[in-house]
Amino acid sequence: QSALTQPASVSGSPGQSITISCTGTSSDVGRFNYVSWYQHHPGKAPKLMIYEVNNRPSGVSNRFSGSKSGNTASLTISGLQAEDEADYYCNSYTGSSTSWVFGGGTKLTVL
Amino acid sequence: QVQLVQSGAEVKKPGASVKVSCKASGYTFTDYYMHWVRQAPGQGLEWMGWINADSGGTNYAQKFQGRVTMTRDTSISTAYMELSRLRSDDTAVYYCARDREYSRSTGALDIWGQGTVVTVSS
Repeated sequence: QSALTQPASVSGSPGQSITISCTGTSSDVGRFNYVSWYQHHPGKAPKLMIYEVNNRPSGVSNRFSGSKSGNTASLTISGLQAEDEADYYCNSYTGSSTSWVFGGGTKLTVL
Repeated sequence: QVQLVQSGAEVKKPGASVKVSCKASGYTFTDYYMHWVRQAPGQGLEWMGWINADSGGTNYAQKFQGRVTMTRDTSISTAYMELSRLRSDDTAVYYCARDREYSRSTGALDIWGQGTVVTVSS
């Protein structure tokens, strides 16, 4: 099972909005609504930001939102803040013998 | 509070096995699935598998089948991940992470352990 495709890096200025894409196939992202997003600061444990495409766990800022169209899921961060600078990973159910697959990760830089 | 505490760093030789523990507290251990995820140096996250903490049923990523074994001891609320026939490219940080949904796997991992560094070197 191949990793989901994410851009290697994105950047934005404080206050701006950015979107990170996560492209899979009709067998994973396109078929199931089990897409989640994680924020990962180096040296710390990843943090769940979005689950089941567009749901935010309690305590996660409403500046983070998720969506899906066809085989591509997206994470949008509005009102960028310095502390948003981190690596972001998507994850999807595949329905195959390897049930879950992560994207390659996207490094977000806040300029 | 809800937390997962993992065992300490390990250094192993190629061909050996490693067993990482993950002790849960603050919630009913058997109510949730536990996943294992790893991150090699400079690489992204990689899903390894899950264990149903209630039944002990497992589901492993195809890449690790035959080399990984996930178990649990419900009496001490602890999950284990054992990886055998270690290679240098198994050098990574290994995380346990709880699935947020009661009694099923959705891949939404809401509680993570602190990570265990496993180094494989001759």
